[in-house]
Amino acid sequence: AQTVTQSQPEMSVQEAETVTLSCTYDTSENNYYLFWYKQPPSRQMILVIRQEAYKQQNATENRFSVNFQKAAKSFSLKISDSQLGDTAMYFCAFMNHNAGNMLTFGGGTRLMVKP
Amino acid sequence: KAGVTQTPRYLIKTRGQQVTLSCSPISGHRSVSWYQQTPGQGLQFLFEYFSETQRNKGNFPGRFSGRQFSNSRSEMNVSTLELGDSALYLCASSPGSAGGETQYFGPGTRLLVL
Repeated sequence: AQTVTQSQPEMSVQEAETVTLSCTYDTSENNYYLFWYKQPPSRQMILVIRQEAYKQQNATENRFSVNFQKAAKSFSLKISDSQLGDTAMYFCAFMNHNAGNMLTFGGGTRLMVKP
Repeated sequence: KAGVTQTPRYLIKTRGQQVTLSCSPISGHRSVSWYQQTPGQGLQFLFEYFSETQRNKGNFPGRFSGRQFSNSRSEMNVSTLELGDSALYLCASSPGSAGGETQYFGPGTRLLVL
């Protein structure tokens, strides 16, 4: 079974600054996918970014980028130029390629962006 | 394309009752997954349906069941409700033909059991 750990229950950052959210996972699989989802107060889960384990290049989406360290089983999310709208819960999630589309989630990090 | 829709959005039930939640996936998506979100247990996978067949199942009691129809719409049912079933139930869809597909979530159904 896979486990996903987010060690920072809460974080805060000033508007326009950069913040990094941590995520580690444990798996014996070699072919898998990692995701970051955002859940604002509306509770709608929104995909932020995804990473295929077989790709060495770190994924980026505008202000969001990841640092994927496969050997260390680490998958951190960096948010640059933080905006007030980034305030949300952020969930790291793991998907095994051979197990359908089942996501295993971490416990989440509550991010507050301060003006 | 319209996103994933879930009905109802809010529901209040009493212990011992049963409840049915509905999920309509994004047009063309054939995989539907269900998750339970609670403050204590976080986000937990319930089950996944693909082409009307349950493809994966999480570690939940048999009181939790689901099904999928030929148009890919899915329902989940919880029988003999317990207080601990109070949660946000999220549905997600994906095209479904292969593993590793991004899941797109609906707005959720908030269930309160009294």
